[in-house]
Amino acid sequence: EADIYQTPRYLVIGTGKKITLECSQTMGHDKMYWYQQDPGMELHLIHYSYGVNSTEKGDLSSESTVSRIRTEHFPLTLESARPSHTSQYLCASSEGSGWVDTQYFGPGTRLTVL
Amino acid sequence: QKEVEQNSGPLSVPEGAIASLNCTYSDRVSQSFFWYRQYSGKSPELIMSIYSNGDKEDGRFTAQLNKASQYVSLLIRDSQPSDSATYLCAVKTSYDKVIFGPGTSLSVIP
Repeated sequence: EADIYQTPRYLVIGTGKKITLECSQTMGHDKMYWYQQDPGMELHLIHYSYGVNSTEKGDLSSESTVSRIRTEHFPLTLESARPSHTSQYLCASSEGSGWVDTQYFGPGTRLTVL
Repeated sequence: QKEVEQNSGPLSVPEGAIASLNCTYSDRVSQSFFWYRQYSGKSPELIMSIYSNGDKEDGRFTAQLNKASQYVSLLIRDSQPSDSATYLCAVKTSYDKVIFGPGTSLSVIP
């Protein structure tokens, strides 16, 4: 069982608020990822990190930012939430060494911006 | 052309039949291939990984890899209603990124 946690699980917030979605893993994985997924739609990579102090933007443009100060922690921040940010946000981590690069996903945060 | 493509769904099969899910990829130097299952409203979870050409079996699931043709497939034998989900193909590319396909929705009809 993967030990990757996301909080909050559900969040309803008003437009213009600053929010931080938390993601933590206890597996010591170097690689961590944030995906955005609308219901019934495909996964979109929005940020990833291959280690402490390393972050990159993913394939889908996002107004969010991330930080990786500790190996186990990869929070995602939206400075000013908008209704277009309403979606499911999934965090994942992987060991990433060699061919074996299984990603373990957290339970997700379902964000609704009013 | 997307880097990882999957046969468009939804795919419907009767209970007990074989479900066949296909995936093609563009980076011919890719070495690692993964199948994830995602139930509605849940997170993806790994079903199988495959690294060598040929078949890999795990219970009712068989992954097939053909690097020359750049395709990987997943067969589900004796399909059960509990197999109804979206199946995501993922490929680790030569530039060290794992790319997910759009997914194929499978519905197993009792």
